[in-house]
Amino acid sequence: SYELTQPPSVSVSPGQTARITCSGDQLGNKYACWYQQKPGQSPVMVIYQDNKRPSGIPERFSGSNSGRATLTISGTQAIDEADYYCQAWDSSTAFFGGGTKLTVL
Amino acid sequence: EVQLVESGGDLVQPGGSLRLSCVASGFTFNNYWMHWVRQAPGKGLVWVSRISTDGGRTNYADSVKGRFTISRDNAKNTLYLQMNSLRADDTAVYYCASEIAAAGNFDYWGQGTLVTVSS
Repeated sequence: SYELTQPPSVSVSPGQTARITCSGDQLGNKYACWYQQKPGQSPVMVIYQDNKRPSGIPERFSGSNSGRATLTISGTQAIDEADYYCQAWDSSTAFFGGGTKLTVL
Repeated sequence: EVQLVESGGDLVQPGGSLRLSCVASGFTFNNYWMHWVRQAPGKGLVWVSRISTDGGRTNYADSVKGRFTISRDNAKNTLYLQMNSLRADDTAVYYCASEIAAAGNFDYWGQGTLVTVSS
């Protein structure tokens, strides 16, 4: 079974840059996607195909994947405090990382 | 506006069965693959299953293979998940999700329906 590993928590000060990583075997050869989930809400896709931003997602969200996928939030705002999950496909099965709680303090 | 509305969640005893539904609107349902994703209380997201546009291809997570069946009725714009032999660890909020703008990714999600397996 494929595994994606994320840090359980990341803290950042308002206005600073937050980086959340996601590691997995041969992840650089797959597309990584990122979802944001706030308490009591459904997930929202913020990055797909490594670095593409869906319409309506602020430009401060960006992604990269060169073996390890990284979600970067530039100029982090209090409203960005949430859980973030990476996701990739392996052998016709979708896998999510365990999630990272982003705290903005 | 894309909308996905799940229903069917309930309290069920271990070993029991339940069928979830997800009604889609705001897009051409029969053009897109659809998925079920679940989230146990206080835990992370776990993909459950997917189905092709015509229902001819399906995939399942190992944890539900042989117990759950995904299906769809394109005439009714509805996605289903038949869950049999339910176990306590199936307790979760179940979301349906679509991959409309981004193939292989879950770009729209429903609000979820809670399934509780307990005696």
